[in-house]
Amino acid sequence: KAGVTQTPRYLIKTRGQQVTLSCSPISGHRSVSWYQQTPGQGLQFLFEYFSETQRNKGNFPGRFSGRQFSNSRSEMNVSTLELGDSALYLCASSLDTGSDSPLHFGNGTRLTVT
Amino acid sequence: GESVGLHLPTLSVQEGDNSIINCAYSNSASDYFIWYKQESGKGPQFIIDIRSNMDKRQGQRVTVLLNKTVKHLSLQIAATQPGDSAVYFCAENISGYSTLTFGKGTMLLVSP
Repeated sequence: KAGVTQTPRYLIKTRGQQVTLSCSPISGHRSVSWYQQTPGQGLQFLFEYFSETQRNKGNFPGRFSGRQFSNSRSEMNVSTLELGDSALYLCASSLDTGSDSPLHFGNGTRLTVT
Repeated sequence: GESVGLHLPTLSVQEGDNSIINCAYSNSASDYFIWYKQESGKGPQFIIDIRSNMDKRQGQRVTVLLNKTVKHLSLQIAATQPGDSAVYFCAENISGYSTLTFGKGTMLLVSP
């Protein structure tokens, strides 16, 4: 079974631009979560989607948004990029939401904002 | 590869030794715990999980111990191999919520 797939693998953007990251979950997984990983803050929860609905949202500004499609694929968008948005963005999927099933992560998208 | 964390606690062991990685979790309401391994340039990889109604769970070469009294979790790796070198994260979760709260991570370095 294929794992979680994230595209693109690397991105370089300029301050003020916007970016869209894509995630394809493991087949059959209906919940998709996004995390930001930085050396200073570690792994921080961004949001979770299930059945095309945002279930939970972390403590990030409104510039960070996401969506989920009917096939469970998800995208996240960051608008008006800031230097501090440089990070590894990780997508994770699980079978269901609110259940004790582990998240399975993709290899992330490395975003660099200059 | 990319660095997943700077100034992480580091555990250095020799190949063949047993490794113990510790984690203190923060929320006494957490009842589900997971250990992840992250290699350079990759996302976190699931290793083993444990629910709060258990004190110990064993997998292949790994054992997780849970002490709810002191909110402490540990990961034991038997016969550590160079391929075990990575950053290890513990994560906690409350049943009914999919959000994981991650610890800061520990870097394990295994020398041949």
